[in-house]
Amino acid sequence: DVVMTQSPLSLPVTLGQPASISCRSSQSLVYSDGNTFLNWFQQRPGQSPRRLIYKVSNRDSGVPDRFSGSGSGTDFTLKISRVEAEDVGVYFCMQGTHWPWTFGQGTKVEIK
Amino acid sequence: EVQLVESGGGLVQPGGSLKLSCAASGFTFSTSWMSWIRQAPGRGLEWVANIKQDGSEKHYVDSVKGRFTISRDNAENSLYLQMNSLRAEDTAVYYCARPSRSSSSEYWGQGTLVTVSS
Repeated sequence: DVVMTQSPLSLPVTLGQPASISCRSSQSLVYSDGNTFLNWFQQRPGQSPRRLIYKVSNRDSGVPDRFSGSGSGTDFTLKISRVEAEDVGVYFCMQGTHWPWTFGQGTKVEIK
Repeated sequence: EVQLVESGGGLVQPGGSLKLSCAASGFTFSTSWMSWIRQAPGRGLEWVANIKQDGSEKHYVDSVKGRFTISRDNAENSLYLQMNSLRAEDTAVYYCARPSRSSSSEYWGQGTLVTVSS
């Protein structure tokens, strides 16, 4: 199975400041059709996961533009340009290239 | 409005069985791949199973192969997960989802809790 490794696992941030989460996969996430199926999810306390980013850098509907995704191959990053109070929660990367689809361990974002 | 509503969770003894259901509305169920994903309490996420639109193709994570069966009824807009030979490590919130790898139309339900304990 593809192992997804996130860092850091805990991220205290100051309101209004940027935040960045790294995700590395144990093998390339480039699919045979050239697409890279790397997603980012947000899970707020007590809620279901919600996808923010698909195919590395595409924002889902309704996702604020302060969230952005980048990367290629095996190295990916989620950035929040200016953290807001509603961004508190756990963030997961997830690969949908190789079955079984797998998630990272999660990064807990909290306000300092 | 898209809705995915899971039901059927509860407390079951080790070795027992349970069948989860997911009622879908607000999108064309019959043309959608569907999935089950689970999250053990205080832990990460695990993608459990996928099923193709017509049910002809199914994929399972190794930890549930031979014990769980994903199925669907397109006439009823419903997704199912039959879980047999349940173990303590199957305890989790189970989410029904409509995955979408290439567009912004992925939906998840609110989940149903399955607890395997004696």
